[in-house]
Amino acid sequence: NAGVTQTPKFQVLKTGQSMTLQCAQDMNHEYMSWYRQDPGMGLRLIHYSVGAGITDQGEVPNGYNVSRSTTEDFPLRLLSAAPSQTSVYFCASRLHRSTDTQYFGPGTRLTVL
Amino acid sequence: GDSVTQMEGPVTLSEEAFLTINCTYTATGYPSLFWYVQYPGEGLQLLLKATKADDKGSNKGFEATYRKETTSFHLEKGSVQVSDSAVYFCALSDPTGGFKTIFGAGTRLFVKA
Repeated sequence: NAGVTQTPKFQVLKTGQSMTLQCAQDMNHEYMSWYRQDPGMGLRLIHYSVGAGITDQGEVPNGYNVSRSTTEDFPLRLLSAAPSQTSVYFCASRLHRSTDTQYFGPGTRLTVL
Repeated sequence: GDSVTQMEGPVTLSEEAFLTINCTYTATGYPSLFWYVQYPGEGLQLLLKATKADDKGSNKGFEATYRKETTSFHLEKGSVQVSDSAVYFCALSDPTGGFKTIFGAGTRLFVKA
């Protein structure tokens, strides 16, 4: 049982490049989400999904796309990287209900030059 | 909309001191409340939670009580250790808020030996 896994751990991009951050969980959780963590701002929700085939926007969705074709995987795509997207990105999952604990991946540190 | 406000850090304490980190929230429904902890270089992990008013969550010597009348969920520990040095996040999850979890900005705790 690996929990929530994220790849890569570190990434450096140039402005305008695109890339996909991978996230997978093996706990059969329905709910998955992506957050970005910036100094002094806590975690801000980018996108989330309540099940395969269903996604919705969080508070900072611009510049990011997601899809949920399987229960296990929830990739985050940066369409055209900008320096403002330099951040640490965390994927999280929970079983379903709002009372359930969220489990976080180890994070991806992204730098956009 | 829903929001969480935490006391600003960093908080610096000596070993065996008493810890309080204040957290207040705004929510339209009846949220579940959480404290997550982030150790250096890691993702967040659940510390404790409470799902209804007057519930007390506790774990590893930490406690927090869900106070609906004051919309608060303050984190306390009677005697901190150096190993408690981390960033602590208060969070809420409101079933009327579309399954989203909202995090506070985080409070960094340093404990000196």
